[in-house]
Amino acid sequence: GAVVSQHPSRVICKSGTSVKIECRSLDFQATTMFWYRQFPKKSLMLMATSNEGSKATYEQGVEKDKFLINHASLTLSTLTVTSAHPEDSSFYICSVQRGERYTFGSGTRLTVV
Amino acid sequence: QQQVKQSPQSLIVQKGGISIINCAYENTAFDYFPWYQQFPGKGPALLIAIRPDVSEKKEGRFTISFNKSAKQFSLHIMDSQPGDSATYFCAASHGGRNTDKLIFGTGTRLQVFP
Repeated sequence: GAVVSQHPSRVICKSGTSVKIECRSLDFQATTMFWYRQFPKKSLMLMATSNEGSKATYEQGVEKDKFLINHASLTLSTLTVTSAHPEDSSFYICSVQRGERYTFGSGTRLTVV
Repeated sequence: QQQVKQSPQSLIVQKGGISIINCAYENTAFDYFPWYQQFPGKGPALLIAIRPDVSEKKEGRFTISFNKSAKQFSLHIMDSQPGDSATYFCAASHGGRNTDKLIFGTGTRLQVFP
């Protein structure tokens, strides 16, 4: 699988501000990355598929204007949570697909106060 | 059709015992079935995976058993250790195709007591 780096690991922001989370594929040029959201003691919920050089594909019920995804290069995808509110507090995880294998980042704990 | 059902929700095992987690799927187009281990505050890490052309795969203390006709697969952890205490997720996908989604089970929280 790929080597994936996700940053930051933790972020606290004020309600109404925006937060950017980065996901880097360190050893593989990834045309596709995935963004997941995980609530405490729950499973991973796919939010969107990030496609290099084109628009992301969002899952049903995910607000694309709230969760902006940019995949400008083959090694970097970013998720920006815009105008964050306390209900956006969650654990966000990215994933890189290489062949049949999916490698996950270490996750970002977002807390909106 | 896209769901992967996982049980039990939680599991308590004594050190040295066998931990068994079960999953079932409906979509016969799935052809790649990985298991992930997740520790608190971390991303999931691939543990072991199987394709439907084999009925069993073993890697160290971890074994996947696969029943294609029943559309079920399970993870067996032999000689369970306290360090195995984590949340385990089964998953399924159409392996290898670009942009294919990985569908996760609901997770099993395993606690191994000394």
